[in-house]
Amino acid sequence: DAGVTQSPTHLIKTRGQQVTLRCSPKSGHDTVSWYQQALGQGPQFIFQYYEEEERQRGNFPDRFSGHQFPNYSSELNVNALLLGDSALYLCASSLFTMAANYGYTFGSGTRLTVV
Amino acid sequence: GIQVEQSPPDLILQEGANSTLRCNFSDSVNNLQWFHQNPWGQLINLFYIPSGTKQNGRLSATTVATERYSLLYISSSQTTDSGVYFCAVDRPNTGNQFYFGTGTSLTVIP
Repeated sequence: DAGVTQSPTHLIKTRGQQVTLRCSPKSGHDTVSWYQQALGQGPQFIFQYYEEEERQRGNFPDRFSGHQFPNYSSELNVNALLLGDSALYLCASSLFTMAANYGYTFGSGTRLTVV
Repeated sequence: GIQVEQSPPDLILQEGANSTLRCNFSDSVNNLQWFHQNPWGQLINLFYIPSGTKQNGRLSATTVATERYSLLYISSSQTTDSGVYFCAVDRPNTGNQFYFGTGTSLTVIP
């Protein structure tokens, strides 16, 4: 039973560029949440997707956007990259109706460095 | 948003020692989870514990929701327990949007 898979594992981009990160949820899960974790900090909620729609959004600018596909996988897009976007980006999957009882399963993350 | 504070920020233990990690939160919560982040960045769910006490092997957790805190106990610590421990909470009617604390970095030395 595959867990949450994220790609790529590491990425280096130049300021001003755009980046796309990908996430495949755990088998049987239908909800994907994205978090940003800066060095030395706890993860911060970006947004959550369920039924191909953004359901919840944290305090992140519109440069951060996402998408969920019919197979429940998801993409996180960041436009006009800033140095401050350098972080570990974590994807978490859950079963929408059961998340309250069992919480998330996290992937290992994508380490994004903006230079 | 809700404030989540964890203490201590750093902890160094000799192998075999016991420890208690604390999580305080500023408002009523729907869910509370404890996570362990390994050196490769992966977050592993340890406990889902909005209230009460749970035990899993050498680990146990207690949440007193009315007093807005949770404790994670680690007994007979091992070097593999090293890493960062996070507490995360979500508020009612926020659709599982979790707020994380800043974590406790634990180092267990042989």
